[in-house]
Amino acid sequence: QKEVEQDPGPLSVPEGAIVSLNCTYSNSAFQYFMWYRQYSRKGPELLMYTYSSGNKEDGRFTAQVDKSSKYISLFIRDSQPSDSATYLCAVSRQLTFGSGTQLTVLP
Amino acid sequence: ETGVTQTPRHLVMGMTNKKSLKCEQHLGHNAMYWYKQSAKKPLELMFVYSLEERVENNSVPSRFSPECPNSSHLFLHLHTLQPEDSALYLCASSQEAAGANVLTFGAGSRLTVL
Repeated sequence: QKEVEQDPGPLSVPEGAIVSLNCTYSNSAFQYFMWYRQYSRKGPELLMYTYSSGNKEDGRFTAQVDKSSKYISLFIRDSQPSDSATYLCAVSRQLTFGSGTQLTVLP
Repeated sequence: ETGVTQTPRHLVMGMTNKKSLKCEQHLGHNAMYWYKQSAKKPLELMFVYSLEERVENNSVPSRFSPECPNSSHLFLHLHTLQPEDSALYLCASSQEAAGANVLTFGAGSRLTVL
């Protein structure tokens, strides 16, 4: 079983849609959960992170962690074409990454 | 220069060549990393240096050889690579401390092995 599983997509949505990106992980000891965004021809950059369970909101972005089901989510409200990128989830301090979900927001 | 800088951005090499990738961080961080990124696969952690000492080597073939001469510079020496080694190689740095380990990545070096 992979440590982190992420649907690679691609995912295509119209501008203004709510986007839901998800990952599952296998090790219940993981405490830190992160989302990175990677634009084409760039390295990943940290979008936001959460510690343990719960929600964290930053503008149009909400990160959610459900440790009981080992499930993490990133919600993007009012999606914009500039949100088009690959989104990578990462867990634990050693940062085990998912394979990334490629998102395209169509104008 | 700010952040994490990687050179070259693109590299094409034959299987018998020897080349090196360079990474420099301007953030005052104390840990540096090499990751391999292949299409549709998770980022693979290759090497970790903390305070200039290698602390992790994830079963990487010996044809990849890292070097960390100081806390700001990291190299990945490449020799007798295989076509399956073609990928984006990402360097990252972080300030190791209690709590979340946030990585700052460079833009990557795109390697093609012919």
